[in-house]
Amino acid sequence: EDQVTQSPEALRLQEGESSSLNCSYTVSGLRGLFWYRQDPGKGPEFLFTLYSAGEEKEKERLKATLTKKESFLHITAPKPEDSATYLCAVQNSGYALNFGKGTSLLVTP
Amino acid sequence: DGGITQSPKYLFRKEGQNVTLSCEQNLNHDAMYWYRQDPGQGLRLIYYSQIVNDFQKGDIAEGYSVSREKKESFPLTVTSAQKNPTAFYLCASRSGRTNEKLFFGSGTQLSVL
Repeated sequence: EDQVTQSPEALRLQEGESSSLNCSYTVSGLRGLFWYRQDPGKGPEFLFTLYSAGEEKEKERLKATLTKKESFLHITAPKPEDSATYLCAVQNSGYALNFGKGTSLLVTP
Repeated sequence: DGGITQSPKYLFRKEGQNVTLSCEQNLNHDAMYWYRQDPGQGLRLIYYSQIVNDFQKGDIAEGYSVSREKKESFPLTVTSAQKNPTAFYLCASRSGRTNEKLFFGSGTQLSVL
């Protein structure tokens, strides 16, 4: 059975304090690993898709990396507007994404 | 603008009542999904549909029903058999290729009166 575990559950950073979020997974036949951002009361917003170990993608202050067992979302010099819940999901050979519980990030000025 | 529209934003259900959540997309996507989100929990799959007039149960389908009569529409009915319906419901779609990203709607918060 596929499993997606995100850590930490919650993270509080000061503005400018870089850190990383972790997504560990076990899946039979990974076809893609996805990162989403979700603001309170809204639907998830797509950030990145990673398809194979060693792949990296960047967008502004965010960088996602992938190994055979886990993915990291690195946040460099975060700003308060980066505060949100970050969701990780994996796609196997089936038809739906399997999501982790998310990491709630708070960036204070 | 292309996207997914969910309505209503907030919905209240009385005891023994069935309620229907609307989901419409104009992205010309073949596949549509319904997820349920509870506080502190991941998204859990309720139902999904790969093509019109066909749908499959997800991990937590009991107490829910769906239809897919049109490509653009995938309504979810929360029946009286669902004893704990209070949650945030998210509709999503994608092109049909299973390694593509999901596009999400803005969600419906369902509460029990």
